[in-house]
Amino acid sequence: SQQGEEDPQALSIQEGENATMNCSYKTSINNLQWYRQNSGRGLVHLILIRSNEREKHSGRLRVTLDTSKKSSSLLITASRAADTASYFCATGERGNKLVFGAGTILRVKS
Amino acid sequence: DGGITQSPKYLFRKEGQNVTLSCEQNLNHDAMYWYRQDPGQGLRLIYYSQIVNDFQKGDIAEGYSVSREKKESFPLTVTSAQKNPTAFYLCASSKYSGGARDNEQFFGPGTRLTVL
Repeated sequence: SQQGEEDPQALSIQEGENATMNCSYKTSINNLQWYRQNSGRGLVHLILIRSNEREKHSGRLRVTLDTSKKSSSLLITASRAADTASYFCATGERGNKLVFGAGTILRVKS
Repeated sequence: DGGITQSPKYLFRKEGQNVTLSCEQNLNHDAMYWYRQDPGQGLRLIYYSQIVNDFQKGDIAEGYSVSREKKESFPLTVTSAQKNPTAFYLCASSKYSGGARDNEQFFGPGTRLTVL
C-alpha cells in the first residue's frame, strides 16, 4: 500500500529558484522522511521529521509537517543543477516499516 | 550508498528460472528490507527482517522468497511464480528494529532485473 502522495508529479525550474514539493498521507505516523533518488541509483535519506515537530531545516532543505492536515512539504532553496533527481516522502510506521509515495521528479535547468 | 552492497547490478532471467539477488551490509544494522520499484512509481515493500532467522511479508511478497541466516546478509530469490519480475530491486537496512524509534533507512545501489 502507498500512503504518501507527492505533488506535483514533476517540476521543472531554473537554477537558483526554490523548489517546493508536497506530500499527503492518510493514517497516523511516527515520523515522515524525505529521500532523494538519482536516476538508476539507490535512495539517499535527506531529512526526518517526527510527528511532534512542525518544521526542520538541514542546509538548503526545509521540511514542514502538519499532522492535522496529514501533509508535509519539502522546500529546496537556491536550487542547483545537481539537485535534479526524484524526491520521495515516506511515512514511518510501527515495526520500522516505511511506506513510500510515488515521488516528484525535479529538473533544475542551468 | 552507505555500507550496503547489492549484486549483480544488472541481471537477466529467462522465463521459468529462479534468480537470487544479493544484499550485504556492514553497518551492523538489525533490520533489512527489500523493495521493488517500477518505472515512474514509488517503492513497494516485498519482505523485511528485523532480526536474524526471522522475516515478514511486505505488500507484494507473492513470487518472492528471502532468508536471513546472518545479520549482514538478506538475499532475495525471485521465483518462477513471480509473473512480472522485470523491475528495479532495492535493498535497505535500518539500525533499529521494532518500536517507534527514528528508522532512517540506508539503501544499496539496486539491481535491475530483466526477464527475457
